[in-house]
Amino acid sequence: DQQVKQNSPSLSVQEGRISILNCDYTNSMFDYFLWYKKYPAEGPTFLISISSIKDKNEDGRFTVFLNKSAKHLSLHIVPSQPGDSAVYFCAARIHGANNLFFGTGTRLTVIP
Amino acid sequence: DGGITQSPKYLFRKEGQNVTLSCEQNLNHDAMYWYRQDPGQGLRLIYYSQIVNDFQKGDIAEGYSVSREKKESFPLTVTSAQKNPTAFYLCASSMGTSGKGYEQFFGPGTRLTVL
Repeated sequence: DQQVKQNSPSLSVQEGRISILNCDYTNSMFDYFLWYKKYPAEGPTFLISISSIKDKNEDGRFTVFLNKSAKHLSLHIVPSQPGDSAVYFCAARIHGANNLFFGTGTRLTVIP
Repeated sequence: DGGITQSPKYLFRKEGQNVTLSCEQNLNHDAMYWYRQDPGQGLRLIYYSQIVNDFQKGDIAEGYSVSREKKESFPLTVTSAQKNPTAFYLCASSMGTSGKGYEQFFGPGTRLTVL
């Protein structure tokens, strides 16, 4: 049973516009959420994270929003750049555990 | 340079053979992980180890085995019992559960193809 869901397998955005990637989760025991970016045939690289005690975390062009009541988080990329084209994975951690639960990923294409 | 290395990048195996994938890290991380990625799917946890000489099964451990004899190394053996071994295998490490140890760092991956 998928505890972390990314329901949009792909997203296309014009360069300079905002990209919004969404992630839903079912387990209320998750206390930490992460976003990873992955290029083909490479390992994922960490992008940004957020603790469940916060509702927003910002790092440059990347902002993650957390809505605990809706069990939903989103990643905003502004402005989007062609180099942002990759697969983005949402991941979550249960309090006290080491391992992460990953979503199925969303492929972002930024059109020049 | 600190990081995680996986070798080889591409690996071919005949059906029925065991094969071992290498993973080494020089980040001084306590915890290490093995994931499998299949097309259109997320990363699924195979095994993880929080400390030397200790490891736990993940969600899809059947047909795989691991060892953790050194802090830096966490090799994964894909045995002939694994029914669908062709996949992209990713190794990761993290500091652990204390402090800001949640972030996992990934290696470049090994693509295993069973012929």
